[in-house]
Amino acid sequence: AIQMTQSPSSLSASVGDRVTITCRASQGIRNDLGWYQQKPGKAPKLLISAASSLQSGVPSRFSGSGSGTDFTLTISSLQPEDFATYYCLQDYNYPQTFGQGTKVEIK
Amino acid sequence: EVQLVESGGGLVQPGRSLRLSCAVSGFTFDAYAMHWVRQAPAKGLEWVSGIGWDSSAIGYADSVQGRFTISRDNAKNSLYLQMNSLRAEDTALYYCVKGMGDSLYYGTDVWGQGTTVTVSS
Repeated sequence: AIQMTQSPSSLSASVGDRVTITCRASQGIRNDLGWYQQKPGKAPKLLISAASSLQSGVPSRFSGSGSGTDFTLTISSLQPEDFATYYCLQDYNYPQTFGQGTKVEIK
Repeated sequence: EVQLVESGGGLVQPGRSLRLSCAVSGFTFDAYAMHWVRQAPAKGLEWVSGIGWDSSAIGYADSVQGRFTISRDNAKNSLYLQMNSLRAEDTALYYCVKGMGDSLYYGTDVWGQGTTVTVSS
C-alpha cells in the first residue's frame, strides 16, 4: 500500500497566520490527492480534490499544490473557524490511504 | 441535498458479526463508487473498503481483508458492510462515503455522520 507521510502532526498558529501542511507519498501518485478538514465530533469535509481543485463553497484562502510525491495544503490567512484537523488522502490506487493528520491549534 | 445515513452499529463481542447499512439520497446512486472509512477513538482516518458503481470492482484494506464484505443494492440506494470475526481493533466510528466517480480510482466527497461499532466482551 502507498504510504502517506503528513507533517507536521500538529501546529500552533494565530489568526491571520499563513499555514502550510505537507504530504509525501511513498511512490508517485500523479495528482490523485485530496485534502479534508475535520472538526471535533463532525465528519470530514472535502476541501480540495485532484491536488489543487478547490471544492465549491470552500474559501479561497485554502489552496493545494503538488504532483507526483509531494503535496502542500496552504491556508493563506488562518481564521478562527479553520482550527481543526486536516488529512490528505491518495486515491491513485487502492487501498486508498490517508495521512496521519495535522491538528491546527490556536496559539 | 446529498444525504448518507448509516445504521447497524452497536456493541458486539469479539468474534461475532455485524452488518452496517447506508441509505443514500439526493444523487444518482448507481453512477458512483462508494466507500467505508473508519476512525478509531481519538485516532486518524482509515479507508476500509470501496465498491465500484456496478460492484465489479471491490477493494479492502489489508486489516479487514477476508473478514469484511462490502456490497450494494442499486435498486434500494443502499450500501452495506458485512463484518465478521470482529476484533477489538475494529472498534471505530464507521463512515459511509460517496465516491467522486464511478470507479475506485476517484476520490471521495460527501460523508455520512457515521455509526459506532464497539467490539468488547
